[in-house]
Amino acid sequence: NAGVTQTPKFQVLKTGQSMTLQCAQDMNHEYMSWYRQDPGMGLRLIHYSVGAGITDQGEVPNGYNVSRSTTEDFPLRLLSAAPSQTSVYFCASSYRTPGQGTNYGYTFGSGTRLTVV
Amino acid sequence: GENVEQHPSTLSVQEGDSAVIKCTYSDSASNYFPWYKQELGKRPQLIIDIRSNVGEKKDQRIAVTLNKTAKHFSLHITETQPEDSAVYFCAATPITGNQFYFGTGTSLTVIP
Repeated sequence: NAGVTQTPKFQVLKTGQSMTLQCAQDMNHEYMSWYRQDPGMGLRLIHYSVGAGITDQGEVPNGYNVSRSTTEDFPLRLLSAAPSQTSVYFCASSYRTPGQGTNYGYTFGSGTRLTVV
Repeated sequence: GENVEQHPSTLSVQEGDSAVIKCTYSDSASNYFPWYKQELGKRPQLIIDIRSNVGEKKDQRIAVTLNKTAKHFSLHITETQPEDSAVYFCAATPITGNQFYFGTGTSLTVIP
């Protein structure tokens, strides 16, 4: 049981480049999400998914796309990287949508530190 | 949507003293309140949580209290140790919610 696996751990991009941050979980979690963490701003939700084939926007979705073709994978795509997207990105998952029934909070991945120059 | 405020943003205590971090929330429908600890360079990890039908919950040196009327909840760490140094995040979610709403974090430093 690997939990939530994020790749890569570090990445440097040039402005305008695109890339995909990978997230996979082996816990059969229905709910998956992407956050970015910036100093003094806590964790801000980018996109989330309540199950395979279903995605929705969070607080800061601009410049990012997601898809959920399988229960296990939830990749985050940066379409045209900008310096403002320099951040630490966390993928997180849970059994059910937050607030529904029994819930034990998120399991977070180890994060991807992205620098856009 | 929900708005979670967290105070203080930084906190320094002497080893052995207690530390208290407070959060307020705006949505009276919020019913689940987890706390996360994030050590430097690591991922956030759940340390304790509380549901709206409970006023207090303890786990060894850590406790969380909830005041639904005032819409605030607090994390209490007793007998602090250097390994408690980390950033702590509170969060809230309503029963119909599709996300956790996080506070902006408290950087706790325990001075040996």
